[in-house]
Amino acid sequence: EVQLVESGGDLVQPGGSLRLSCAASGFTFSSFWMSWVRQFPGKGLEWVANIGQDGSEKDYVDSVKGRFTISRDNAKNSLYLQMNSLRAEDTAVYYCARGRWNYVSWGQGTLVTVSS
Amino acid sequence: DIVMTQSPDSRSVSLGERATINCKSSQSVFYSSNNKNYLAWYQQKPGQPPKLLIYWASTRESGVPDRFSGSGSGTDFTLTISSLQAEDVAVYYCQQSYSTPATFGQGTKVEIK
Repeated sequence: EVQLVESGGDLVQPGGSLRLSCAASGFTFSSFWMSWVRQFPGKGLEWVANIGQDGSEKDYVDSVKGRFTISRDNAKNSLYLQMNSLRAEDTAVYYCARGRWNYVSWGQGTLVTVSS
Repeated sequence: DIVMTQSPDSRSVSLGERATINCKSSQSVFYSSNNKNYLAWYQQKPGQPPKLLIYWASTRESGVPDRFSGSGSGTDFTLTISSLQAEDVAVYYCQQSYSTPATFGQGTKVEIK
């Protein structure tokens, strides 16, 4: 059974940093593109970033470019999202998802709240 | 960015009746090179992550009941639930993956009348 478990969400002040992790199991992690998708409090969904199988290809939504970094460790079956210079508008539930553009499997999400 | 617009924002349907949700993209999501529409539909129930129902506009994901179907091409798409069941109460989202960034519609809430 495919499992994706996110962690690392927290309350952080504007300008702060946070690192999200996603532990994957039940599939050959190194064979799949992986993505982060976020859901805002008003329930809208936004793709944030994705990363290729070996980590050499990465892409980001414009609103996070230069602030967020996606990475992966295939030996640990783990996906990461380093978030710097956080803003109030980054407040959302962050989901780890398997896939580059269509997301067949999702984690349960981790809540990031950016507030002073 | 391609803007995805769903209609209506919410829909109340009686059990066993048909429910339809529309999705319009600001530009075509059809790739003529492979004859595919890069359009997916997701279902999200309260407290759960989204679940992929349909991809390539009309291909049902494995395990999805056949009362769910997708249609359309180019810029106009429809998700149809042929006979609404109580467990179908959810928010439904369309999503395009034709161009970066992938973008979602605002969601349509389906309720029981």
